[in-house]
Amino acid sequence: DAGITQSPRYKITETGRQVTLMCHQTWSHSYMFWYRQDLGHGLRLIYYSAAADITDKGEVSDGYVVSRSKTENFPLTLESATRSQTSVYFCASRITGVGANVLTFGAGSRLTVL
Amino acid sequence: GQQLNQSPQSMFIQEGEDVSMNCTSSSIFNTWLWYKQEPGEGPVLLIALYKAGELTSNGRLTAQFGITRKDSFLNISASIPSDVGIYFCAGYYINTGTASKLTFGTGTRLQVTL
Repeated sequence: DAGITQSPRYKITETGRQVTLMCHQTWSHSYMFWYRQDLGHGLRLIYYSAAADITDKGEVSDGYVVSRSKTENFPLTLESATRSQTSVYFCASRITGVGANVLTFGAGSRLTVL
Repeated sequence: GQQLNQSPQSMFIQEGEDVSMNCTSSSIFNTWLWYKQEPGEGPVLLIALYKAGELTSNGRLTAQFGITRKDSFLNISASIPSDVGIYFCAGYYINTGTASKLTFGTGTRLQVTL
């Protein structure tokens, strides 16, 4: 199906474990983003990528790692999960050029760290 | 980082009533976006605003880009039960214009009673 898909949709893990959240988009959008959503904070940017092999930190990047070897995939890894990383994670993408300011979001991945 | 003050935090209204919510910033923005998020889903774009003073409608929704470039409002007329959700404003700083600096408000949670 066309669009942006995230997996898994729900994940429970334990403190200290490594977790990878996947994001796949079928539009060939150049930009991709990871946000986390927490009560009282809205959506906060974790990492973004302007193109394959180009990534940069957002405002809450500590404890997270990203890669982008292919344009369509942008996985987010928590190398050693902590309880403070319990959150809902959203992947988003956008085009360049006209309408470039508009982000399209995936359905989210709800992560619980015990 | 920059903060967007979005108000009210929550609203409980009756079906048929009009709704108004707004966002303010201490910085000048060059784009305002309004998103709606339904339970278990990612935010979906409602309206995008690109020029100061711009007034744009999308069905029963109307949004305006404030003249000062530091605020925006969203109105919903004749609310219906499917309007339930969380409404987010988002904007880009005037001095960056890059997607990496898209800032989100903390959201307005709308509940509609019959």
